[in-house]
Amino acid sequence: NAGVTQTPKFQVLKTGQSMTLQCAQDMNHEYMSWYRQDPGMGLRLIHYSVGAGITDQGEVPNGYNVSRSTTEDFPLRLLSAAPSQTSVYFCASSYSKGYNEQFFGPGTRLTVL
Amino acid sequence: GESVGLHLPTLSVQEGDNSIINCAYSNSASDYFIWYKQESGKGPQFIIDIRSNMDKRQGQRVTVLLNKTVKHLSLQIAATQPGDSAVYFCAENAGGTSYGKLTFGQGTILTVHP
Repeated sequence: NAGVTQTPKFQVLKTGQSMTLQCAQDMNHEYMSWYRQDPGMGLRLIHYSVGAGITDQGEVPNGYNVSRSTTEDFPLRLLSAAPSQTSVYFCASSYSKGYNEQFFGPGTRLTVL
Repeated sequence: GESVGLHLPTLSVQEGDNSIINCAYSNSASDYFIWYKQESGKGPQFIIDIRSNMDKRQGQRVTVLLNKTVKHLSLQIAATQPGDSAVYFCAENAGGTSYGKLTFGQGTILTVHP
């Protein structure tokens, strides 16, 4: 199993540009989530999904959209990038949303100029 | 909102010593806690978890202790090795309608000297 994969690893955007961060898992996990990690801080939940076709907001959802058309994929869209969205983004998955280990991807480092 | 915090941002130990990393949480409704290890340039890696109906749980070289009275969580690493050097995060899940939503602490940097 490849586990949780994320692309790209690095990205530089200009303010106002849009892009999609890709996340995929091959473990047939129901639950997937997106976090952002800023320097000196822990991870903060952006959006999550408890299954295909179901998504919900986390702690910091503004400026981000998600969709879950398949069990495997959970892309994160930045509609109009802002410098405040400069961060490292992690995707995670687990078998269910409950008491289960969450597996994290390697992260995407995004810089918005 | 509720948050999870750490007492010490950095911890330096000698190889072979035991390490203790502490975490304070403020949400009394939290019923599930996890410790993650994050190495430079990588995503967090699960270490050990504990439910609120337990006080202690042991893994391989690691032990998590939960004191609900004072809302305190600790991670003990036995015979610390240079490969244990990383940032350690505690995370909590409040359960109920927050089921599946993890709140992370700031992290503690553990440095192990050979």
